[in-house]
Amino acid sequence: DAGVIQSPRHEVTEMGQEVTLRCKPISGHNSLFWYRQTMMRGLELLIYFNNNVPIDDSGMPEDRFSAKMPNASFSTLKIQPSEPRDSAVYFCASSPGQGGKTQYFGPGTRLLVL
Amino acid sequence: DQQVKQNSPSLSVQEGRISILNCDYTNSMFDYFLWYKKYPAEGPTFLISISSIKDKNEDGRFTVFLNKSAKHLSLHIVPSQPGDSAVYFCAGRGGSNYKLTFGKGTLLTVNP
Repeated sequence: DAGVIQSPRHEVTEMGQEVTLRCKPISGHNSLFWYRQTMMRGLELLIYFNNNVPIDDSGMPEDRFSAKMPNASFSTLKIQPSEPRDSAVYFCASSPGQGGKTQYFGPGTRLLVL
Repeated sequence: DQQVKQNSPSLSVQEGRISILNCDYTNSMFDYFLWYKKYPAEGPTFLISISSIKDKNEDGRFTVFLNKSAKHLSLHIVPSQPGDSAVYFCAGRGGSNYKLTFGKGTLLTVNP
């Protein structure tokens, strides 16, 4: 069984550039989460989708961040323009049902903004 | 405001001995607590959970204990194995049925 798939696994970009991170959730899961992990703040929830609809985006740090889920099998997290402080590991996770009690994480995208 | 705290950034134990990882929380609304394990270059994987109405849950070598009055939970691994070496995250679910609040993790190293 394929788990959550994320691409790219690593991204190095220059400040001001647009960055797009991609996620394919586990088939049949209708909850999708984007997280960011940093040394200072640990693992924090950015946005939560249920049935492709954004339910909670209170964790999105700024307007530079946006996320979409055009269908049940694909989601993107976009940063435009990127800044050095956006450097982090970004995880996508999915979960069956509405609840997030057990979330299945992808391998993450390590982003470095120079 | 850190609602979930893992005060030990790292822990080192000998193979075969017990590993005890600790977690403190402040949010009384948490109804479930979970432990995740993370290897380098991989995402966190679910390990074990406990409902707030219980005080113990056991799964093989892994046992989680919850002390609600102290707002404290711990993960016991017995016996510890080198393959258990990883970062362990504690998380609480509360405020909504989807929101997990994670601690910053504890790096466990099990020495052969």
